[in-house]
Amino acid sequence: DSGVTQTPKHLITATGQRVTLRCSPRSGDLSVYWYQQSLDQGLQFLIQYYNGEERAKGNILERFSAQQFPDLHSELNLSSLELGDSALYFCASSVVYRGAYNEQFFGPGTRLTVL
Amino acid sequence: GEDVEQSLFLSVREGDSSVINCTYTDSSSTYLYWYKQEPGAGLQLLTYIFSNMDMKQDQRLTVLLNKKDKHLSLRIADTQTGDSAIYFCAESNSGGSYIPTFGRGTSLIVHP
Repeated sequence: DSGVTQTPKHLITATGQRVTLRCSPRSGDLSVYWYQQSLDQGLQFLIQYYNGEERAKGNILERFSAQQFPDLHSELNLSSLELGDSALYFCASSVVYRGAYNEQFFGPGTRLTVL
Repeated sequence: GEDVEQSLFLSVREGDSSVINCTYTDSSSTYLYWYKQEPGAGLQLLTYIFSNMDMKQDQRLTVLLNKKDKHLSLRIADTQTGDSAIYFCAESNSGGSYIPTFGRGTSLIVHP
């Protein structure tokens, strides 16, 4: 158990809909990262938050947004869903947002299926 | 081409050694990592190596780094069926704010 929790575990929805994925980082970790894992794209970094502020952006679509709340949990919002958004979405946390060594602790993931 | 590349599959017999290879493109990589993903779970850090090191050994795991060729390998000695998983190579550097860039992962299948 990494200490990172994600809900829900599975999500099935239709095209055009909007969903929210939730992540709670390990106790004491200020940095949260979101990743998308799909068969064709591998593990893609989406976005990073540190102590409530956005710190880095990766391959995140404009239809996707995220935020980190004062209690450090984070939510990833996916809107106008398309079939191609079906994937595993991972949240990871780490102690530092900037530093030479960056061990990330991954949650179990949310499997999103868009029908 | 991709920043971090790995072969997709490796099949070995139980008790043999497994060697998973990875190449990367960024010469400024500071840390290189190996993560393991078991079915239905997230990634878990197995080991890492700092870029000024050539080798790191941790029990059954040996990491070799050839910085000149930008080649990283993970050797698992006495591979067990419990080692069956997807292994991800990743690198981080200051240019990327130390956020790891991951390869696509190598599926290791261990058969009796």
